[in-house]
Amino acid sequence: DAKTTQPNSMESNEEEPVHLPCNHSTISGTDYIHWYRQLPSQGPEYVIHGLTSNVNNRMASLAIAEDRKSSTLILHRATLRDAAVYYCILYSPGSGGSNYKLTFGKGTLLTVNP
Amino acid sequence: DARVTQTPRDKVTEMGQEVTMRCQPILGHNTVFWYRQTMMQGLELLAYFRNRAPLDDSGMPKDRFSAEMPDATLATLKIQPSEPRDSAVYFCASGLVDYSGHNYGYTFGSGTRLTVV
Repeated sequence: DAKTTQPNSMESNEEEPVHLPCNHSTISGTDYIHWYRQLPSQGPEYVIHGLTSNVNNRMASLAIAEDRKSSTLILHRATLRDAAVYYCILYSPGSGGSNYKLTFGKGTLLTVNP
Repeated sequence: DARVTQTPRDKVTEMGQEVTMRCQPILGHNTVFWYRQTMMQGLELLAYFRNRAPLDDSGMPKDRFSAEMPDATLATLKIQPSEPRDSAVYFCASGLVDYSGHNYGYTFGSGTRLTVV
């Protein structure tokens, strides 16, 4: 599996934007970039995913570098509820139906200060 | 919003006892996963199914763990016999994977917290 690198932790202030970086220098052309987050005492939660173009949804934005070797998850206005571990995962659809799994790393622990 | 339901929420058992964890995936989802999370190892994939057929269970200790999907509305993870090192939070997740392998996000349950004493 291609590997991602994220900072262990980040801190932000409430109502300010947060940019969570992820490096994936060995990404292949068919790898999608998926982001999940895990709030305390809960299961992981899907946030967003993309392939080449930047993506927006109601939760966040995903900015993907032109060479695809890095990406940034953007929370436009952090709230206390956004405090969580954020995971950047490469997902390769593959062929043959045997590669649907998500491999989680350690992620980035985001602390939001009031 | 549709949810993945896991039962029980918490389980405390004695070493050597059988433990069965259940998961009701979201209706219409064709892929189901079992993960285990500990502080030391993080989130580990144990097994997963597509259209109820097991695709990969290489993450499971085969001698004591078994995972099944008796029907589309139920996935089970069984540990027999349980050991203290099995203490962890076990998550079930489900998702829709299309014919080309694309998924649009998996939904995780709230987990079963297992403590083996």
